[in-house]
Amino acid sequence: RKEVEQDPGPFNVPEGATVAFNCTYSNSASQSFFWYRQDCRKEPKLLMSVYSSGNEDGRFTAQLNRASQYISLLIRDSKLSDSATYLCVVPGGGSNYKLTFGKGTLLTVNP
Amino acid sequence: EAGVAQSPRYKIIEKRQSVAFWCNPISGHATLYWYQQILGQGPKLLIQFQNNGVVDDSQLPKDRFSAERLKGVDSTLKIQPAKLEDSAVYLCASSSDPHQRGQYFGPGTRLLVL
Repeated sequence: RKEVEQDPGPFNVPEGATVAFNCTYSNSASQSFFWYRQDCRKEPKLLMSVYSSGNEDGRFTAQLNRASQYISLLIRDSKLSDSATYLCVVPGGGSNYKLTFGKGTLLTVNP
Repeated sequence: EAGVAQSPRYKIIEKRQSVAFWCNPISGHATLYWYQQILGQGPKLLIQFQNNGVVDDSQLPKDRFSAERLKGVDSTLKIQPAKLEDSAVYLCASSSDPHQRGQYFGPGTRLLVL
């Protein structure tokens, strides 16, 4: 299994739809995980972190399944402004603070 | 709080030339990262510093890339000589607690090698 592997996408959904992205990881020692959002020609920005089973912030829910080694990001009631690339980030085990990015999943929300 | 600063924002050079990028992290952030992001891919870690020490440079092409963070604050990344395949965005990120708080990115330097 690769260090980090994301749904390749792209995802095209209508406004108001619910969409979910998955990300699998190989390092079972990883403790916390992150989802970043990257707009076209911009830098990645931290969207959410996941430490335990899940985290919810408004329309966004991040879930962690340690047994199956995957994390997911659910977006409810999609807005046009949600169109972006979503990157999952997995830390390395131990204390070296390494963070490995997935390749990203492109989401386009259509009117 | 000021964010991560990077310069220049854009750079166009010819192959075999040299180029340097500068990064000023968020104040107090001990961990600093340089990433290379090629169009359509996620950021790829080049080098990671903890204060002024290198933690991970396993993916840094050391025959042409070098980086330093002499006083544990600002950092520079250099490419000498550049190749066509070095065309990418070079992102600097910093963090006070990477595994708990994630990291914060600068705007990046967009490099085009002709």
